[in-house]
This record gives sequence, C-alpha cells and structure tokens, in this order.
Amino acid sequence: DQQVKQNSPSLSVQEGRISILNCDYTNSMFDYFLWYKKYPAEGPTFLISISSIKDKNEDGRFTVFLNKSAKHLSLHIVPSQPGDSAVYFCAARTGNTPLVFGKGTRLSVIA
Amino acid sequence: EADIYQTPRYLVIGTGKKITLECSQTMGHDKMYWYQQDPGMELHLIHYSYGVNSTEKGDLSSESTVSRIRTEHFPLTLESARPSHTSQYLCASSEIGNYGYTFGSGTRLTVV
Repeated sequence: DQQVKQNSPSLSVQEGRISILNCDYTNSMFDYFLWYKKYPAEGPTFLISISSIKDKNEDGRFTVFLNKSAKHLSLHIVPSQPGDSAVYFCAARTGNTPLVFGKGTRLSVIA
Repeated sequence: EADIYQTPRYLVIGTGKKITLECSQTMGHDKMYWYQQDPGMELHLIHYSYGVNSTEKGDLSSESTVSRIRTEHFPLTLESARPSHTSQYLCASSEIGNYGYTFGSGTRLTVV
C-alpha cells in the first residue's frame, strides 16, 4: 500500500505562471517531508523540505505547504521556468527511517 | 569536490550473470541507501546502511546483497541477473541527523 501518493502523473504550465504539485500521504507518523527534482538519466536532487511542526517553508521560487489534518502537501513554483521541466518526487520519513517516495509528477513548463 | 559516484552508468548483461553495481561517496556520510526506480513509479528501497558493517533490507532486497566494509563504499550485488531486474538503480547517502539525501547519477541496468 502506497504511503506517499502523487496522483497527477503529469502537469503542463505556461512559463511565468505558477506550478502546483500535490502529494498526499497516509502515515500520520511522518514527521519530515521533502521534494526532489529529477532529470532523465540523472539522480534526484534535493529541492526543499518541511518539518511536520511547520505549515510552510519557502526558498526562492519554491514554497512547500503542509496540511497535516488533510495529510496533504504541495509544492508551488513561482514563476515557472522552462528549466523547471523535470519529474518531481515527494518523499517522507518517520524519525530515523529511510525516505518513502511517491511515483513522481512530470512537470512541463512551456515557453 | 564532495560527491557520490555510481558505476557503471549503463550496463547490458545476459540472464544468469552475476553483477556488482558500485557506489562511492567522498562526503564521509554514515548513511547510504540503494533504491530501484522504473519510469512512472516510485523509488523502492532495496538496502540501506547506517554505518560500517551495518546493513538492512528494504522492500525489494530478496534478490540482491550489499556490503559496507568502508564508510565510503556501498556496492550492490545481483547473484543471478534476470530480465525482471531491468531498472534504474540509485545510490544515495546522508549524514546522521540530516534528512536530505545526496543521490548518485544512477545505473541503468538492462538484463537480456
């Protein structure tokens, strides 16, 4: 049973607009959440994270929102750029356990 | 430059062969991980290690083994490759207390 779910396999956004990638989780014990970005034939690279004690974390164009009651988090990218086109993975963990990943969402930013 | 290296990047091998995928990191990280990922699918944890001589199995570990004799080196071995092993294998490392992983570039394995 998937503990981290990314229900949108793909998303297309115009350059300059906002991209919103969503992630749902089922394990209420998760206490840390991360987003990774992956280009083809490369390993994922860390993008941004958030602790369960917060509801928002911002880093430049990237903001992650956490809604614990809904077991939902989202990644906002504003403004979107063509170089943001990649697969975005949501990941979560409990304490010291290894990360659990979602299936990813392929973002295409159209110029 | 501190980094994590995986070799080979691409490998095509026949069924039944024994293969070892190499992973080395220069960051002195105690924790290392192997994940397997197919297109459109999540990363599945195969094995992980929290230090020298310490290894644990993940979800898909039954057909592979790992060793952690040195902090910087975490090789993955498939004793008898099968077409079902065709996938991308990703190695990662992290510091104790640091929740973010640094990933290698991956090994794309094809078993024919």
